[in-house]
Amino acid sequence: GAGVSQSPRYKVAKRGQDVALRCDPISGHVSLFWYQQALGQGPEFLTYFQNEAQLDKSGLPSDRFFAERPEGSVSTLKIQRTQQEDSAVYLCASSHFGAPQETQYFGPGTRLLVL
Amino acid sequence: RKEVEQDPGPFNVPEGATVAFNCTYSNSASQSFFWYRQDCRKEPKLLMSVYSSGNEDGRFTAQLNRASQYISLLIRDSKLSDSATYLCVVSTGGFKTIFGAGTRLFVKA
Repeated sequence: GAGVSQSPRYKVAKRGQDVALRCDPISGHVSLFWYQQALGQGPEFLTYFQNEAQLDKSGLPSDRFFAERPEGSVSTLKIQRTQQEDSAVYLCASSHFGAPQETQYFGPGTRLLVL
Repeated sequence: RKEVEQDPGPFNVPEGATVAFNCTYSNSASQSFFWYRQDCRKEPKLLMSVYSSGNEDGRFTAQLNRASQYISLLIRDSKLSDSATYLCVVSTGGFKTIFGAGTRLFVKA
């Protein structure tokens, strides 16, 4: 079946611009994660959804970052007033139930470059 | 101190070699452990989960030492296709998953 998809795959934004990144998880997966991966680093946890409920947003770096999953499927990560330090790959992952021992399936990521 | 630490490498090994990576974690309450593999400019993919008793999958062996809070990955008979970054991953049982920065492996002919 289809895996996790993300769009756009690449985004160039001018500093101060707002951006919205979309994630389509595997159908039926309850849990959805967002990560930020800087060059040469591992993915850094941003936030977690169980269905439409955002149960952990402790990794969001500032109040410029906002995520939602209103119907418990597609999720959007929004970054307001982008800064150069926001340049990174944003990865979305989903898992069936979200139990800690479950596999997370990652999308291909959105590469964001803020100029 | 980072919650999950790995030697960044790179490890440069010839085909057929055995190579081992270690990873240490700081939170003694951590419950679930994994190794993910990430190819250049691709997404991470699960390589294997790590169980308390240790586990093996073909040429790959993972071990967990809770007392010393480290995880290891052993790759035997390295193939060119094993060249990738190996990410150590730890979950405390909540929703937050912590990734290490990764260890880069290059296998050369």
